[in-house]
Order: sequence, then C-alpha cells, then structure tokens
Amino acid sequence: AQKVTQAQTEISVVEKEDVTLDCVYETRDTTYYLFWYKQPPSGELVFLIRRNSFDEQNEISGRYSWNFQKSTSSFNFTITASQVVDSAVYFCAPQGGGGNKLTFGTGTQLKVEL
Amino acid sequence: GAVVSQHPSRVICKSGTSVKIECRSLDFQATTMFWYRQFPKQSLMLMATSNEGSKATYEQGVEKDKFLINHASLTLSTLTVTSAHPEDSSFYICSAREGGESYEQYFGPGTRLTVT
Repeated sequence: AQKVTQAQTEISVVEKEDVTLDCVYETRDTTYYLFWYKQPPSGELVFLIRRNSFDEQNEISGRYSWNFQKSTSSFNFTITASQVVDSAVYFCAPQGGGGNKLTFGTGTQLKVEL
Repeated sequence: GAVVSQHPSRVICKSGTSVKIECRSLDFQATTMFWYRQFPKQSLMLMATSNEGSKATYEQGVEKDKFLINHASLTLSTLTVTSAHPEDSSFYICSAREGGESYEQYFGPGTRLTVT
C-alpha cells in the first residue's frame, strides 16, 4: 500500500512570495508515478504534473517547479512569485501498486493574500 | 485535452431515496473509471474502480450494495447511491483512463450530493 504525507495543512503567504509545498511518500513499488493536483474552491481537480519514478530531473513550468528526491521519497512543489489565483488546495498523489491507483495526500491549503 | 463530464453537478435528495450520478468521457474511450469521495476539507478517497463490461472493484469499507457502479460502455459510468442518508452527503468525483497504467486519469468536475 502506498502512503503520502503532506505535513503542511495550511500555508498563508503574501502575493509575490515564493512558497514550497512538501510531499513525502512511501511505496514498495520499484516503478511508480507521482502527481500533483490543484483543487480551487470550485472543486474541480486541475492536473499539474506527472513524474515517472525513473526520471529524477527537476522540472520547471513557468512559475511552478518540482524537486524530486527519490533517495528521501520526496516530491516537493514550489510556486515562485505567488499570486492570489494560486489560492487552492494542493494534493500530492503517488500512483502504483495493484490496479495502479492514485493515493491522495491530505492536501495543503494555500492562501495567497494581497 | 481529454474531457470528463459529470452530471448533475449538484443534487439534493431526501433521505431514503436513491440518486444516480453520471460520468462521461467526452473525447476518448475510457477502459477504466474511478469513483472518489471527498468530505469537506478532507482528501479524496477512492471508492471503487470499474472496467468497462466488468463488475466494479470496491475499496475496503465501501458498501457495494449501497454504492452501485455500472460501467456499461466505454464512455459512461454511473454511480447510484441507494437509500441515501445524510451521512452520504459528500463531493463525488469520477476519473477516467483510456488505457493501462501508463495512461493518465482525467478527472470530472465533481458532483455535490446533499441528503436532507
């Protein structure tokens, strides 16, 4: 079974600050995928990234970047120059195991204020 | 990109009645669909996995007789909450996947169920 820990329940920042959301996972699979999703107040999940466990290169997409450290089972997400529209709940989710299910973390509520 | 729709987006029903939620993949054929449940300020919990033409596989603790799942076609899965009670009030989200493990899951917008 997989497990994921998002230790930060809620983070508040002021607009333009950088913010990092932590994600630590546990898995017995040798190959797996890691995902991040954004859930704004509307409720609809927005896909942000999918990372294969073989690919440990960090990734940058605009203001978003991800740091994958397989040795520590962490897949942290950084938003640079945060904006009010970034306010949402962010979920980290590994995928693997029988049936290749997604296991969602408890989520981190990010509030970006003016 | 792939689109998954859910209908209805919101539903209010009386205790004891049944309610059906539809999940459709609009521009791809979904061999596998997933149903999740999310209580307020909580995470998404997988309820069941359904493959087209097969019986759904339910997660531990999910009552299969209460949450009936039908995946009769490659573009449609339905979740029926039977004899709903107020504790069934939740946000139900479906996702669909075109193929095997290397394929992404695409999520629907969710259905908010309120049982009065």
